[in-house]
Amino acid sequence: DIVMTQSPDSLAVSLGERATINCKSSQNILDRSNNKNYLAWFQQKLGQPPKLLIYWASARESGVPDRFSGSGSGTDFTLTISSLQAGDVAVYYCHQFYSTPYTFGQGTKVEIK
Amino acid sequence: QVQLVQSGAEVKKPGASVKVTCKASGYTFISYDINWVRQAPGQRLEWMGWINAGNGNTKYSQKFQGRVTFTRDTSTSTAYMELSSLRSEDTAVYFCAREALVYWGQGTLVTVSS
Repeated sequence: DIVMTQSPDSLAVSLGERATINCKSSQNILDRSNNKNYLAWFQQKLGQPPKLLIYWASARESGVPDRFSGSGSGTDFTLTISSLQAGDVAVYYCHQFYSTPYTFGQGTKVEIK
Repeated sequence: QVQLVQSGAEVKKPGASVKVTCKASGYTFISYDINWVRQAPGQRLEWMGWINAGNGNTKYSQKFQGRVTFTRDTSTSTAYMELSSLRSEDTAVYFCAREALVYWGQGTLVTVSS
């Protein structure tokens, strides 16, 4: 199984400041035949299902604010919230859909400092 | 609009089975897979597998193979997840989610307790 490891486990950021979450996969999740990284990012607020933010490592899902961005390739990925808003308080998960069983990171809790 | 509505919370005894329903609306049901994902308290999300809503083909995570069964009823646009031989570690919120995990159900809490 591909293990997804996020860092840090939690993060406190001031309103308007940048938040950066890292995700490392235990195996390469870049398909060189189509040059796509099979990596997605989700946001989960308390008591709600996860919400897809980013897919293919850097493509923003429709309706997601442009302060959310994803980057990285191969085994190392980053989710950046450029200017943290109060409504961004949540747990964020990375997810690989390169090979089954699909797996998720352990989550990073983002709070307001 | 796309909606996935799941059945209500369940309490089961160890060794029993549970069947969770996921009713889809707002799109052509048979055109997309339905994934099942669970989340135990304080744990990471865990992918259980998927069912092709069109032909009924399934893919199960090895972890649940033999204990989980996905089915669907195309006449009612409903997907089902049945988990058997329940143990306390199966206590979790179970989600259905459409292919690519863009749309999710609200989740169904399954509690396994004697």
